[in-house]
Amino acid sequence: AQTIHQWPVAEIKAVGSPLSLGCTIKGKSSPNLYWYWQATGGTLQQLFYSITVGQVESVVQLNLSASRPKDDQFILSTEKLLLSHSGFYLCAWSRGTGANERLFFGHGTKLSVL
Amino acid sequence: AQSVDQPDAHVTLYEGASLELRCSYSYSAAPYLFWYVQYPGQSLQFLLKYITGDAVVKGTKGFEAEFRKSNSSFNLKKSPAHWSDSAKYFCALEGPPSSSFSKLVFGQGTSLSVVP
Repeated sequence: AQTIHQWPVAEIKAVGSPLSLGCTIKGKSSPNLYWYWQATGGTLQQLFYSITVGQVESVVQLNLSASRPKDDQFILSTEKLLLSHSGFYLCAWSRGTGANERLFFGHGTKLSVL
Repeated sequence: AQSVDQPDAHVTLYEGASLELRCSYSYSAAPYLFWYVQYPGQSLQFLLKYITGDAVVKGTKGFEAEFRKSNSSFNLKKSPAHWSDSAKYFCALEGPPSSSFSKLVFGQGTSLSVVP
């Protein structure tokens, strides 16, 4: 069975500090990977997607970056956090067979920027 | 550009009643539509999807949704509702269908409270 693991579970960071969030998918080769952001009380917004190692596409510009260093790993990062980065970050994967595939979400990381 | 609207931020009903959560969408082509649920303290889980064919699609946990092209809606239904259905529900739209990856656009979500 496939599993998705996100780390850390929660972070409290200062404005201007760096950030790195991680996501690992086990049991599925060559998944499509996604980062979503959910502002407190808000909806989910897709930030990045990746269909293969080393290739990441940005969907929304939020002064964040993402990388896929391995087939099963997706990293979200920034060198300088903003207050507006606070929220809930969700990693997700889908089978790489089309847009009609369901997404499988991780448990997310709650980020508080102070 | 595609968009999804869930007009009811909160819905409260008694256990045993019928539930219907509203979702409307805006998209120029034939849509792929999804419902996801987020139980308290948990991540999002897939409930059901509409790709093509029958207007009523059945999903997990006894839920179903009806696609109505005439008014661009995809409402989620369940009868009877149970207290364990209390959660936040998200409607989502996929487009364009020809993509090899997902570009889900989510609605604002509806928080459902089912009172025993």
